[in-house]
Amino acid sequence: AQSVTQLGSHVSVSEGALVLLRCNYSSSVPPYLFWYVQYPNQGLQLLLKYTSAATLVKGINGFEAEFKKSETSFHLTKPSAHMSDAAEYFCAVKSNFGNEKLTFGTGTRLTIIP
Amino acid sequence: ETGVTQSPTHLIKTRGQQVTLRCSSQSGHNTVSWYQQALGQGPQFIFQYYREEENGRGNFPPRFSGLQFPNYSSELNVNALELDDSALYLCASSLTPDNEQFFGPGTRLTVL
Repeated sequence: AQSVTQLGSHVSVSEGALVLLRCNYSSSVPPYLFWYVQYPNQGLQLLLKYTSAATLVKGINGFEAEFKKSETSFHLTKPSAHMSDAAEYFCAVKSNFGNEKLTFGTGTRLTIIP
Repeated sequence: ETGVTQSPTHLIKTRGQQVTLRCSSQSGHNTVSWYQQALGQGPQFIFQYYREEENGRGNFPPRFSGLQFPNYSSELNVNALELDDSALYLCASSLTPDNEQFFGPGTRLTVL
């Protein structure tokens, strides 16, 4: 079985400040990990994914995430927040073999303060 | 290349009714997955279809069923609707089950 836990259902940061959204995973086998973004009234868009290559993954819109096996974490960061980053962010996990499907966290709503 | 589309955008039904939601995958994508996203929650996997056959199912009762057609369209059918079925229903298509999933905008279902 696999799962992800997102710490903090709501995060607020000032424009230009560091964005840090936390995700911890649980998986009995090496995982694939994903971050998705959801804007209001829209579907999910893939920001980045970890598939057992480089542990530091760079995604779209200036976001990146680091896979830390020792901490079972995959936190999402962005050095400088922009107003357009305001959205819901979901961490997801998938087994890297077998027929398991994406398992999502409960999401973190990011608010940017002008 | 068009993205994943879903219809209708919004839908209101009453308890006990049946509903059909539709999804049009990206051209060439043989895989479609359906998710239920309740308010304030992450998406929950309902089932996946690959080349018109069910290819995995989440923890949802049999009254949730699906179909996938050769023209890259698919349906999610829910019978005997319950109040807790109120949610945003997302479909996602991919080239194969192991490839990146591309999500549609969703159908918001309200059950009264």
